[in-house]
Amino acid sequence: SQQGEEDPQALSIQEGENATMNCSYKTSINNLQWYRQNSGRGLVHLILIRSNEREKHSGRLRVTLDTSKKSSSLLITASRAADTASYFCATDDSNYQLIWGAGTKLIIKP
Amino acid sequence: DAGITQSPRHKVTETGTPVTLRCHQTENHRYMYWYRQDPGHGLRLIHYSYGVKDTDKGEVSDGYSVSRSKTEDFLLTLESATSSQTSVYFCAISRGSGGNEQYFGPGTRLTVT
Repeated sequence: SQQGEEDPQALSIQEGENATMNCSYKTSINNLQWYRQNSGRGLVHLILIRSNEREKHSGRLRVTLDTSKKSSSLLITASRAADTASYFCATDDSNYQLIWGAGTKLIIKP
Repeated sequence: DAGITQSPRHKVTETGTPVTLRCHQTENHRYMYWYRQDPGHGLRLIHYSYGVKDTDKGEVSDGYSVSRSKTEDFLLTLESATSSQTSVYFCAISRGSGGNEQYFGPGTRLTVT
């Protein structure tokens, strides 16, 4: 079962623009994580936000969490070609295992 | 991918044959996971381990078994491969339980013909 669902499924923007992708989930969580996957590679952890946090920053990444709406957003500012990848959100279930969304495929056009 | 290797990286096998995938870590993390990734499904947990000889089932465990005889190695076995098990398999590790940050291996692409 999918806990997190990313939106949009695909996003194509010009280099230098900001990219925003969203994640919605169904049940209460302890934390929410965002990962990046470059084509043909394993996933790389980007950021973890706890349920009692509303916003978190890491370099050009900004993550927000709205537990009342059961949603999170990932903002990548000043996008670069190297940001082209798929982005996944993951939330922990009642057994403390991660449940993953299907991902947003981000393409940065030069 | 540092500290986590998977072997083989690619494998083509025939329906009905047994297949074993290996995950090896040098990080001494307690938790290890096997996921499969299919288009439109994101990652789905097959099995996980919370210590040597301690394993449990995930969301899609049917047709798979695992073993962990050493901290650093986690084996995934398909007893009798089927075409529905064609997928990309990822191993992951974490210091704490699954809700913590996970580190992934490079993946194994398995094709069952």
